[in-house]
Amino acid sequence: GAGVSQTPSNKVTEKGKYVELRCDPISGHTALYWYRQSLGQGPEFLIYFQGTGAADDSGLPNDRFFAVRPEGSVSTLKIQRTERGDSAVYLCASSSTRGTGELFFGEGSRLTVL
Amino acid sequence: KNQVEQSPQSLIILEGKNCTLQCNYTVSPFSNLRWYKQDTGRGPVSLTIMTFSENTKSNGRYTATLDADTKQSSLHITASQLSDSASYICVVSAIKNAGNMLTFGGGTRLMVKP
Repeated sequence: GAGVSQTPSNKVTEKGKYVELRCDPISGHTALYWYRQSLGQGPEFLIYFQGTGAADDSGLPNDRFFAVRPEGSVSTLKIQRTERGDSAVYLCASSSTRGTGELFFGEGSRLTVL
Repeated sequence: KNQVEQSPQSLIILEGKNCTLQCNYTVSPFSNLRWYKQDTGRGPVSLTIMTFSENTKSNGRYTATLDADTKQSSLHITASQLSDSASYICVVSAIKNAGNMLTFGGGTRLMVKP
């Protein structure tokens, strides 16, 4: 596609539920990043993929968070047993190189946990 | 610990005026520094990327400077327009074996008033 696409754009769920957020990067981009952004804050790093593998998952806050990129393109961020503190905008970005090139962001998925 | 500090946290200026946003960082080993513009409810969009050897880079009415010795950067906006109202995020990239590690500042929220 022309840009990074994220779905859903908005997700409202109840505490304790399971959520999946999808990111479709720019075609051919090998590097993919997930960030979490709370209101009034800068994006916070979650996980970085180079191809199919998670090259750096040090930003995942706990084991309720997991992300996959099985074919090296689309990535899914999975959150189990959601908590109210998980409410944020989840941003995905992709880059054509190993992180040295320009980063292109999607519009984000706004998650609200009630 | 890698950190990026931005100031001011928020800024209000009148349309047509100039302004300068500051970014101080402690990121090592340094790879590059980026400025992003993020409109409310949208993903960040790249304005400039500067490597160690670049002191200044312009993108239209936006001019970024970098002093790698003092680890400071600034973003100067000339002849501000209402559409410049946004958050401006400074991002510093460190070289890591698994790819670049990006550290985000908290952003400066700029409001341009008529």
